[in-house]
Order: sequence, then structure tokens, then C-alpha cells
Amino acid sequence: AQKITQTQPGMFVQEKEAVTLDCTYDTSDPSYGLFWYKQPSSGEMIFLIYQGSYDQQNATEGRYSLNFQKARKSANLVISASQLGDSAMYFCAMREGHSGAGSYQLTFGKGTKLSVIP
Amino acid sequence: DSGVTQTPKHLITATGQRVTLRCSPRSGDLSVYWYQQSLDQGLQFLIQYYNGEERAKGNILERFSAQQFPDLHSELNLSSLELGDSALYFCASSVGEFTGELFFGEGSRLTVL
Repeated sequence: AQKITQTQPGMFVQEKEAVTLDCTYDTSDPSYGLFWYKQPSSGEMIFLIYQGSYDQQNATEGRYSLNFQKARKSANLVISASQLGDSAMYFCAMREGHSGAGSYQLTFGKGTKLSVIP
Repeated sequence: DSGVTQTPKHLITATGQRVTLRCSPRSGDLSVYWYQQSLDQGLQFLIQYYNGEERAKGNILERFSAQQFPDLHSELNLSSLELGDSALYFCASSVGEFTGELFFGEGSRLTVL
């Protein structure tokens, strides 16, 4: 089973509107972290926002917020007031916390391509 | 600018050759991670180092190796290159071994002809 599922290969949003990018995850580990990254056409991976599994409040960073629903295992990214520069690939990722030696690498979803329309 | 520096940005080489990709983590970060992004496999974790020691291995081929030096910079060595190794290779760093956000470099785009 996939650990990170992003069901929207592509999304369109009108400039200045809000958009929600979906992400569901699968883990049995009680300790984990969820990340969103933006990858513009230039290729770099830009960190947007982080949510820890024990965080009580939803994470927010400027126009980005993470709608964390733990029971539903979803971590949707909400971008408010979309801008043309938001057009990019968006990746959801998870880091699981294991006991012992641990492996804290990120597992990425396949991404959602967001296109902002003027 | 994430503060993670990768060189070279672009590299074109032939099958069977060997290349070395270099990464300087953000100042103060002790963990370095290598990722491969290809069209068919997406983003795949390769390997993690923390303060010079290997911490975790992902889908890294035996033809690939990496190390982290005392000054914390890291190198990823790719040998006996095949066409399928063409990809964008990212380095990322974080302050701790188990905590902290991962910040990615701009990547090294490898093309194997």
C-alpha cells in the first residue's frame, strides 16, 4: 500500500482564489511528521509547511495552512489567495518515527500539478 | 535560498562512466540526505548521514556510494552509469538526526547518454 497518496494529478485555480491539495497517508507509527514541498519548473524543492503528529493545532505559514485530520489520516494543504507564482508541482511527504536506530527519511507522494489561471 | 548547496547543477556523461555529486548542508545541520527524482520512480530516498555516520539506507544501488566528511559536506558517487540513472539528485539537510524540517538543495541534474 502506498504510504502517501495524492489523488489529484492536476488542479486548476483562479488567481486570488483558495485551493486545497489533498494528501492522505498510511502509517501505524504514533510518531510521524508531514511535510509539503513545492517544486517549480526550475526544479528546486521548496519547503512549505510541517505538521507533527502530536501537534494540537494545524500548522500555518503565511498563505499556506495544513488541514490535519488525524483520525482520517489526511493532511491537506490549503493555499489562500492563489498567485501566478504558485503554479508548480506540490508534494506531500511523511517522515515516520521508528524506535531503535530509526530511519527518518521522507516518503513522498506522486505530486499534484497546480496551475493558477489569471 | 535554502542554504543547501549542490554542485554541479548539470552534468552530462556517458554510460559506464563515474561521477561525483557534492553537497554542502546548511550551516549547523548535521544530517544529510540524498534523494533521486526520476520520471518513472518519483522521489526516492537513497541514504542518510548524521555527523559523519551512515544512518539509513533506502533504494540505493550498489553502484552508488556516499559519504559525509568531517566538515559535514557529503558526496554521492555514481559509477558504471546506465541510461536509467538519468535523474535529478537532491541533497537535503536537517539540524538533527530525528528532528527538524528537511531543506533541499537545488539538485544536480544528471544526464547519461
